[in-house]
Amino acid sequence: GAVVSQHPSRVICKSGTSVKIECRSLDFQATTMFWYRQFPKQSLMLMATSNEGSKATYEQGVEKDKFLINHASLTLSTLTVTSAHPEDSSFYICSARDRDRYLGFQETQYFGPGTRLLVL
Amino acid sequence: AQSVTQPDIHITVSEGASLELRCNYSYGATPYLFWYVQSPGQGLQLLLKYFSGDTLVQGIKGFEAEFKRSQSSFNLRKPSVHWSDAAEYFCAVGARGNTDKLIFGTGTRLQVFP
Repeated sequence: GAVVSQHPSRVICKSGTSVKIECRSLDFQATTMFWYRQFPKQSLMLMATSNEGSKATYEQGVEKDKFLINHASLTLSTLTVTSAHPEDSSFYICSARDRDRYLGFQETQYFGPGTRLLVL
Repeated sequence: AQSVTQPDIHITVSEGASLELRCNYSYGATPYLFWYVQSPGQGLQLLLKYFSGDTLVQGIKGFEAEFKRSQSSFNLRKPSVHWSDAAEYFCAVGARGNTDKLIFGTGTRLQVFP
């Protein structure tokens, strides 16, 4: 149980184009999903928290207009990198919290396999 | 502010040897603590977590970790390493009641020699 998928697993795009990354919780409902960015040989940095039916909360320094997040259903959140540039190349990972297991002290994030974005 | 330190960037062990990966945290109270493993090109898999209770936590794949409040540590151990354990290991801390913002350490890369 608690499987999170991401699509695509890797994408190459030209500079200036937009790329959409999907994050799905396959066997549970997730009212909250998280988007992380990981640079080579570095740790994960939280970009934003995505809540179903409401606007995402972005971390300081993350451009809202560049990284558009939509959480339209309890099982799907999307991250769109708009007007991508080479510096946006990175490994993007999403995670989801199981709504039914959120008991205040049993909070666990389940991570997707990641999407590697390369902007040429 | 919360922070997590993993002092060892890279560790190499022989298959069958014991393993200990270090993790120190900085937090004003007792946090939630996690260990995740990341294989190349993969997402993170939860190995174990500590919320409360017994300070020795058992996880998957034969891993365990011990929470030591006095040392602000949550070291990961395994008595006998397998070649398939080669991966990147991340320690993370989350605030009680709000683990929305998991703070990750910089990771320890484990290499296993046959």
